[in-house]
Amino acid sequence: EVQLVESGGGLIQPGGSLRLSCAASGFFVSRNYMVWVRQPPGKGLEWVSVIYSGDNAYYANSVKGRFTISRDISKNTLYLQMNSLRAEDTAMYYCAREGHREFTDWGQGTLVTVSS
Amino acid sequence: EIVLTQSPGTLSLSPGERATLSCRASQSVSSGYLAWYQQKPGQPPRLLIYGASSRVTGIPDRFSGSGSGTDFTLTISRLEPEDFAVYYCQQYGDSSYTFGQGTKLEIK
Repeated sequence: EVQLVESGGGLIQPGGSLRLSCAASGFFVSRNYMVWVRQPPGKGLEWVSVIYSGDNAYYANSVKGRFTISRDISKNTLYLQMNSLRAEDTAMYYCAREGHREFTDWGQGTLVTVSS
Repeated sequence: EIVLTQSPGTLSLSPGERATLSCRASQSVSSGYLAWYQQKPGQPPRLLIYGASSRVTGIPDRFSGSGSGTDFTLTISRLEPEDFAVYYCQQYGDSSYTFGQGTKLEIK
């Protein structure tokens, strides 16, 4: 059974850093395209970043230069390093597995709140 | 970046009725890269339709997707109580993904 479990969210001050984790089971993150998607409270979905099987990564313009996606094959875990956090980064962050450019499996999410 | 516009923003219908949700793109989308999701409160999105018209295994056949180019539609033929939720379309192009703003399907 495919399972994704996010962790690492919390309350952080503006300008701070946070690293989110997404532990996968039932498949290998190294053999799949993996994404982060976020959802501000009460709002819609926004794609954040994708990492492809060759470790090529792409980012939404809103996070480019501040966020970094990566994975640890030995831990079968996906990460999102978030630096220079802003209030507008406040959201539920979901990791998901990509199928053929759609997102087939999702975690339950981890909430990031950026506030002083 | 391709912008997806969903309409209506809110759709009020009764169980048993037919729901038609629209997703319009600012430029042509490859049909292979248009998907629909359902999201209920407190839950992550769930993939319903991919490739514009292919239903995910386990999704009831009352859900169907259609369209091409810039106009796509999600149809729910006969609404069940569990279908009332928010629906999002999503596309891929040029190493970037975008979602529509969502349509809330509520009980009338």
